[in-house]
Amino acid sequence: EAEVAQSPRYKITEKSQAVAFWCDPISGHATLYWYRQILGQGPELLVQFQDESVVDDSQLPKDRFSAERLKGVDSTLKIQPAELGDSAMYLCASSLSQTTRNEQFFGPGTRLTVL
Amino acid sequence: AQSVTQLDSQVPVFEEAPVELRCNYSSSVSVYLFWYVQYPNQGLQLLLKYLSGSTLVKGINGFEAEFNKSQTSFHLRKPSVHISDTAEYFCAVTLIQGAQKLVFGQGTRLTINP
Repeated sequence: EAEVAQSPRYKITEKSQAVAFWCDPISGHATLYWYRQILGQGPELLVQFQDESVVDDSQLPKDRFSAERLKGVDSTLKIQPAELGDSAMYLCASSLSQTTRNEQFFGPGTRLTVL
Repeated sequence: AQSVTQLDSQVPVFEEAPVELRCNYSSSVSVYLFWYVQYPNQGLQLLLKYLSGSTLVKGINGFEAEFNKSQTSFHLRKPSVHISDTAEYFCAVTLIQGAQKLVFGQGTRLTINP
């Protein structure tokens, strides 16, 4: 069964360091999402791609976060510099298209701890 | 903008007992509704969704939910729970028109006691 892949699964870093997370969506899925899930809360959308284009990045802290999907397939989310408040689970999801009826499939997530 | 409120942060029940997890939403326009489950240290898995038609929706693992437009609710139910149902459950909403942006509730932690 096709799955969304994410790496690393766990990342521990110190404040002010740079971190990067990678996501490989299900083959053929045009839409890719990055969510942040703070402990005890529901996921919150950070950025949405349609192929290689950003559709929604209104909640992405652009002073320190960046995301790219250069060839419209896999994607990288970067934080530089990391802050204590960035500790969270970062989830990647994909769907066939951005039509709202389509199911989003989630990866296992990357748990980030900033010390 | 749409929003979701999950009325219980934690729900403890005994094995084989029935359970209801409550979800209310707020939106000025029509929405689609979803329930997702998250097992420890894993991503989210879709349990069920309401798009249109019958207001009673059946999902995986014996779960079902009922859409009530007048009460803006989408409560999740299971008649008999198992230890394996222990997980975090999230209700989510998205607008029918526009980009597919899921807005999640805070989650309900379901704990099954033997």
